[in-house]
Amino acid sequence: EPEVTQTPSHQVTQMGQEVILRCVPISNHLYFYWYRQILGQKVEFLVSFYNNEISEKSEIFDDQFSVERPDGSNFTLKIRSTKLEDSAMYFCASSPRTDGSPLHFGNGTRLTVT
Amino acid sequence: QKEVEQDPGPLSVPEGAIVSLNCTYSNSAFQYFMWYRQYSRKGPELLMYTYSSGNKEDGRFTAQVDKSSKYISLFIRDSQPSDSATYLCAMWGRDDKIIFGKGTRLHILP
Repeated sequence: EPEVTQTPSHQVTQMGQEVILRCVPISNHLYFYWYRQILGQKVEFLVSFYNNEISEKSEIFDDQFSVERPDGSNFTLKIRSTKLEDSAMYFCASSPRTDGSPLHFGNGTRLTVT
Repeated sequence: QKEVEQDPGPLSVPEGAIVSLNCTYSNSAFQYFMWYRQYSRKGPELLMYTYSSGNKEDGRFTAQVDKSSKYISLFIRDSQPSDSATYLCAMWGRDDKIIFGKGTRLHILP
């Protein structure tokens, strides 16, 4: 069964550094998402992306965050200057449609900011 | 009031028991309802997806939606130790995002 893949599985970075989290969505999906889960807390929406532009973003997704689909397969989340509170699991998800279709999630990247 | 409320547990039940997991919600715009299962250090895995009020069954899992009460449930029959995980309810309204509950940690005791 096709799946969403994320790399790396774990990223450690120093505060103030830039990180790029990478995702390969399911190939025929058109809608892409990033969610975040701080340890012990709920899965939180960050951003949705369709047709090469952001369709919706949350309050968490401030100017330090950006997303990009640089080619036909990858979908990336960049954090420009990481903060300690950015430490979390970051999940990429994709969906074939936006009419309420469920999202398919990757296994996440665990980001640790020191 | 939070959009989606879910008791975080933990909930411990003996193997073979019927498990009942629940969520309430406040936003009547929510139209699509999902249950995800999440094992430790893994991504959410879709278990059930429903649209209308009523029951939907898939193997040992039954999802129930009561839109009039803004209440959804997931039942697990003949629970197994491998069912031990965190169960997340999730809902989709008319905007382009899914909102998750906090998740209920479930332990099935052998």
